[in-house]
Amino acid sequence: AQTVTQSQPEMSVQEAETVTLSCTYDTSESDYYLFWYKQPPSRQMILVIRQEAYKQQNATENRFSVNFQKAAKSFSLKISDSQLGDAAMYFCAYKVDNNNDMRFGAGTRLTVKP
Amino acid sequence: DSGVTQTPKHLITATGQRVTLRCSPRSGDLSVYWYQQSLDQGLQFLIQYYNGEERAKGNILERFSAQQFPDLHSELNLSSLELGDSALYFCASSVGDRYTEAFFGQGTRLTVV
Repeated sequence: AQTVTQSQPEMSVQEAETVTLSCTYDTSESDYYLFWYKQPPSRQMILVIRQEAYKQQNATENRFSVNFQKAAKSFSLKISDSQLGDAAMYFCAYKVDNNNDMRFGAGTRLTVKP
Repeated sequence: DSGVTQTPKHLITATGQRVTLRCSPRSGDLSVYWYQQSLDQGLQFLIQYYNGEERAKGNILERFSAQQFPDLHSELNLSSLELGDSALYFCASSVGDRYTEAFFGQGTRLTVV
């Protein structure tokens, strides 16, 4: 079974500092996608970043980057220069390429301290 | 604003009742996905429709059903509601039938009392 584990229920970071959120997943597939979603208090799910498993290069979106370790089945999210608006629940998600059944982790609540 | 519209935003109903949640995808998107977010189960994929046809099924209960209409809006029908069905129900949409980048609506908060 494909599962996604986020081992940090809560994290906090000082404004302007860097924080890394952890995610591991379990799969026997070779072609899949990994995602990080942000859910602010407004509750809307916002895609932060996406990684295709066949790509060795780590995805980057402005202040957000990932460390994708395929062999270790690890997919961590690094947020640089943290801003107050980054405070939210962050969900790691996994999906096999030919199947749209997306699996989500339990989430990490990120607090940003001014 | 993602462009995905869900109505209603909040819904309170009694056990045993039936409700319909509505989703209008982004303009041009052919796929609609439904998700349930509850405290005990987390986020779960329920079902996907692509251009009117069911394309993928997740952990959707038999009491739940969905459909996508010719104008591409989708409805999720929940019947014989139980307290445990209280959750946030999300709809997402994407252009194609493969979920590589989808946009979420703001969700419908369902409370069953």
